[in-house]
Amino acid sequence: ELKVEQNPLFLSMQEGKNYTIYCNYSTTSDRLYWYRQDPGKSLESLFVLLSNGAVKQEGRLMASLDTKARLSTLHITAAVHDLSATYFCAVETDSGYALNFGKGTSLLVTP
Amino acid sequence: GAVVSQHPSWVICKSGTSVKIECRSLDFQATTMFWYRQFPKQSLMLMATSNEGSKATYEQGVEKDKFLINHASLTLSTLTVTSAHPEDSSFYICSASDRGSPLHFGNGTRLTVT
Repeated sequence: ELKVEQNPLFLSMQEGKNYTIYCNYSTTSDRLYWYRQDPGKSLESLFVLLSNGAVKQEGRLMASLDTKARLSTLHITAAVHDLSATYFCAVETDSGYALNFGKGTSLLVTP
Repeated sequence: GAVVSQHPSWVICKSGTSVKIECRSLDFQATTMFWYRQFPKQSLMLMATSNEGSKATYEQGVEKDKFLINHASLTLSTLTVTSAHPEDSSFYICSASDRGSPLHFGNGTRLTVT
């Protein structure tokens, strides 16, 4: 059974601080996705990581993928309140293109 | 960019009635569409995979007779929740793929069954 484990599940951090969200998965997939979800909304695609060693950055967020360790990280630099949301990582299932999601990390950035 | 339109955005129905949710790919042909369900403060759970012109594949524990999926064209998939009950109240999200392109998600449908 494919497992996708995120931690932490809840994160409260002050503005200006840095933090990392971790995503471990059990499949040999080399595609990993990060999404953001605001309350009551659907998913917003943040990053698609397609190969071992992939690193992508957008603004204050940077994602990386280590397929050998089956680990992806989402690093937050100098957090701002607008980053408050729930972040999900997801991995493709063996059946192709369907995604198995982690439980999500609920991030709250406070002044 | 690729857009997936989902309709309606929200719906309230009475227990025992059926509700149809549409998922359309607006600017690409979606050979495969996926339906997810998300309960409050939980993650997304895959319900079923639909391929154009063939029967949907349901995940374990999802009743295929209750959640009817039709993918009659390359741009439209529908999910019908039949004989809805309050426990079916959830956020339903579709996604679409075109042979390996990154997945595109619809805006979701909030279903409330009273």
